[in-house]
Amino acid sequence: AQSVSQHNHHVILSEAASLELGCNYSYGGTVNLFWYVQYPGQHLQLLLKYFSGDPLVKGIKGFEAEFIKSKFSFNLRKPSVQWSDTAEYFCAVKIASGSARQLTFGSGTQLTVLP
Amino acid sequence: GAGVSQSPRYKVAKRGQDVALRCDPISGHVSLFWYQQALGQGPEFLTYFQNEAQLDKSGLPSDRFFAERPEGSVSTLKIQRTQQEDSAVYLCASSLARTLAKNIQYFGAGTRLSVL
Repeated sequence: AQSVSQHNHHVILSEAASLELGCNYSYGGTVNLFWYVQYPGQHLQLLLKYFSGDPLVKGIKGFEAEFIKSKFSFNLRKPSVQWSDTAEYFCAVKIASGSARQLTFGSGTQLTVLP
Repeated sequence: GAGVSQSPRYKVAKRGQDVALRCDPISGHVSLFWYQQALGQGPEFLTYFQNEAQLDKSGLPSDRFFAERPEGSVSTLKIQRTQQEDSAVYLCASSLARTLAKNIQYFGAGTRLSVL
């Protein structure tokens, strides 16, 4: 069974600091990759996704992520965080072949941005 | 509707009670998923429907958990004889695509179940 690891459980940054959240997965085949964000009191929302092509993907609110196949990684980045980015961030993986449709999530990273 | 709707938002049950959680997916979405999210963890897959067919229930933790989607739209997750370890947020997600490609899941706000 595949697994997803998010190395940082809680990250605290000041506004304007740069952000990188790590995500690694264990599956050796072709995957689709996602980052979801959950703002306080809200539902999970898609931040960005990778299906194929350019491994550097851009999402909403200035976020981007880079798929590095050789490292089984899909790290999330943002050059300058804002207070409003305070949220929990989840990396998720879906096997891109076979009959499985579900997402496998990491345990999440809580980001706190200090004003 | 505009998004995935789940009800109730909160449910408190006494140990041993049966509960039913409802999910109303985005109109026209073929696929529907249930996930369980324990405190401090990411969502974990429970079961998946394509229209009314339950194609995968490998994530259901025990035979006390049962899900249905009889008309291919609204789905109900039922938990019989609830136990304290069932306390979690239950998330529903739906997606439009029948094919593997471009399969983006949209999530509801979840039902927080507390079993006392």
